[in-house]
Amino acid sequence: DTGVSQNPRHKITKRGQNVTFRCDPISEHNRLYWYRQTLGQGPEFLTYFQNEAQLEKSRLLSDRFSAERPKGSFSTLEIQRTEQGDSAMYLCASSLQGVTSPLHFGNGTRLTVT
Amino acid sequence: GNSVTQMEGPVTLSEEAFLTINCTYTATGYPSLFWYVQYPGEGLQLLLKATKADDKGSNKGFEATYRKETTSFHLEKGSVQVSDSAVYFCALSTRDDKIIFGKGTRLHILP
Repeated sequence: DTGVSQNPRHKITKRGQNVTFRCDPISEHNRLYWYRQTLGQGPEFLTYFQNEAQLEKSRLLSDRFSAERPKGSFSTLEIQRTEQGDSAMYLCASSLQGVTSPLHFGNGTRLTVT
Repeated sequence: GNSVTQMEGPVTLSEEAFLTINCTYTATGYPSLFWYVQYPGEGLQLLLKATKADDKGSNKGFEATYRKETTSFHLEKGSVQVSDSAVYFCALSTRDDKIIFGKGTRLHILP
């Protein structure tokens, strides 16, 4: 168990640019989650996958956000035409399926949009 | 809808003091309940969980009891240490396995 890995750790980009983040979950976990966390707030649900199928995308997410999990392994989160309001910590977590299964989080990718 | 409400921080206590962090929830059905902790410079990690009413989750001296009648899952510790300084998040799992978090409570323990 090498844990959940996220890359990059930090990303600084200019407004209007596209960014992509990567998450490598724990290998035997079939569920993968993306959350966003801003200062002083709890993690806010963005989307999640079971294997390669995206189960739900938060209504809070605009069409500029897209996530994929090809082959049910790693996942990518892309933000197009970034805005300053996108600045946040983006967290990835994985788990086994089931309501009692806890999430295992990565250390996150901190995005700063200037 | 599903939501979690926890007491606002920061909470500042002296070492060896008794700790309570309140958490209440709104949910459809009978969710599993969790406390996660985020130590300075580290990622979120599970502290404890309870999966049904009257269950008590415990870990590292922390406890929380799933109270269906009051829809609460308060976190307690009898004697806190400086190393317990962190942000604590109460969370629930929905029927479709989403985990919903509260806003977090920052805890400072003074030596």
